[in-house]
Amino acid sequence: DTAVSQTPKYLVTQMGNDKSIKCEQNLGHDTMYWYKQDSKKFLKIMFSYNNKELIINETVPNRFSPKSPDKAHLNLHINSLELGDSAVYFCASSQPGAANTGELFFGEGSRLTVL
Amino acid sequence: QKEVEQNSGPLSVPEGAIASLNCTYSDRVSQSFFWYRQYSGKSPELIMSIYSNGDKEDGRFTAQLNKASQYVSLLIRDSQPSDSATYLCAVRSNTGKLIFGQGTTLQVKP
Repeated sequence: DTAVSQTPKYLVTQMGNDKSIKCEQNLGHDTMYWYKQDSKKFLKIMFSYNNKELIINETVPNRFSPKSPDKAHLNLHINSLELGDSAVYFCASSQPGAANTGELFFGEGSRLTVL
Repeated sequence: QKEVEQNSGPLSVPEGAIASLNCTYSDRVSQSFFWYRQYSGKSPELIMSIYSNGDKEDGRFTAQLNKASQYVSLLIRDSQPSDSATYLCAVRSNTGKLIFGQGTTLQVKP
């Protein structure tokens, strides 16, 4: 029973297209994240939502738009894809407050390749 | 200066040896520090957390923290080939964000 699941796991698309990645967690966590991991393994936070509200919005092009319909889901839509968007996108969740040990539970990642 | 810095490696050690992974951070007020392990093609998983100066041991893993030097390390004793992975240091900023280093790739050779 997967705790944090992302779909699709692989996307291959052309420059200029629009694509979406979906994420769902069944851990009951309040906080969800999108991270981008580039080819050098650098894992960088993009967005964080707490109970459907945006709380972290890093310097990310506005072609990237997150949406959280409820606290168990966080989707990422990317418009006008560029070559530099090629990366692995990880969704994660955590429980904030006193129970937060700093442990993020990551999904399996979605590998995006822009041609 | 990057907020969290690690040597990308690869760090190569023979089986049974001690692997020493190092990390420095720039935000002096950081209070929480974590080590994640990421196998090739997989997602990161938390293996150690440390909040106070000194050592914290968990099985073959020891995390060491020196806040004065802004330095965190991870020691892996009796290294096994199954320990071969990328180890990511992460620091919680005062805004609550978890900031990762670029990771050190460890290769344990049989």
